[in-house]
Amino acid sequence: QKEVEQDPGPLSVPEGAIVSLNCTYSNSAFQYFMWYRQYSRKGPELLMYTYSSGNKEDGRFTAQVDKSSKYISLFIRDSQPSDSATYLCATDSSNTGKLIFGQGTTLQVKP
Amino acid sequence: DADVTQTPRNRITKTGKRIMLECSQTKGHDRMYWYRQDPGLGLRLIYYSFDVKDINKGEISDGYSVSRQAQAKFSLSLESAIPNQTALYFCATSKPGASGANVLTFGAGSRLTVL
Repeated sequence: QKEVEQDPGPLSVPEGAIVSLNCTYSNSAFQYFMWYRQYSRKGPELLMYTYSSGNKEDGRFTAQVDKSSKYISLFIRDSQPSDSATYLCATDSSNTGKLIFGQGTTLQVKP
Repeated sequence: DADVTQTPRNRITKTGKRIMLECSQTKGHDRMYWYRQDPGLGLRLIYYSFDVKDINKGEISDGYSVSRQAQAKFSLSLESAIPNQTALYFCATSKPGASGANVLTFGAGSRLTVL
């Protein structure tokens, strides 16, 4: 079993929809949780980062961590075609940058 | 110019050949990493270095070696390439921030095909 599991999709939604992306993890020692966005032929770029449990909001994006159920979520409101990308969840148990990634979910937002 | 530059961007080679992927950064970060990305598997850590004299194996280091030539340069070598090393390779850098987060900055990737 992978330490971080993510449904690879693909996920296709109409423009304006609310998107929910999710990951589960197995190690309760994980403390740092990140979402990276990767456009085609590009490297991943950090979208959001959360320490421990709770919510974090940045514009149309909300990251949520539930440590009791070992569940990580990213919500995208009012999705846009420019949000079409692969979204990768990642954790870092000791904040060293030795990230453990999920498989990535490919999202397509159709105009 | 990109903060993290990888060369070459694309490379096709044959089984048994030695290959070097190079990474240079202008961010002034001490920490550098090499990750490999495969479809359905996400990114996996190959090697990492926290400073010039520090080299550490990651999750999948077998068949790879690295060299940290300077703070800004970190190269990945495949001594004898094999087809299952066909993948997209990413270099990344980081520096722990004031908030405590260790945010990685990735290069654009090097696509390697081993025939």
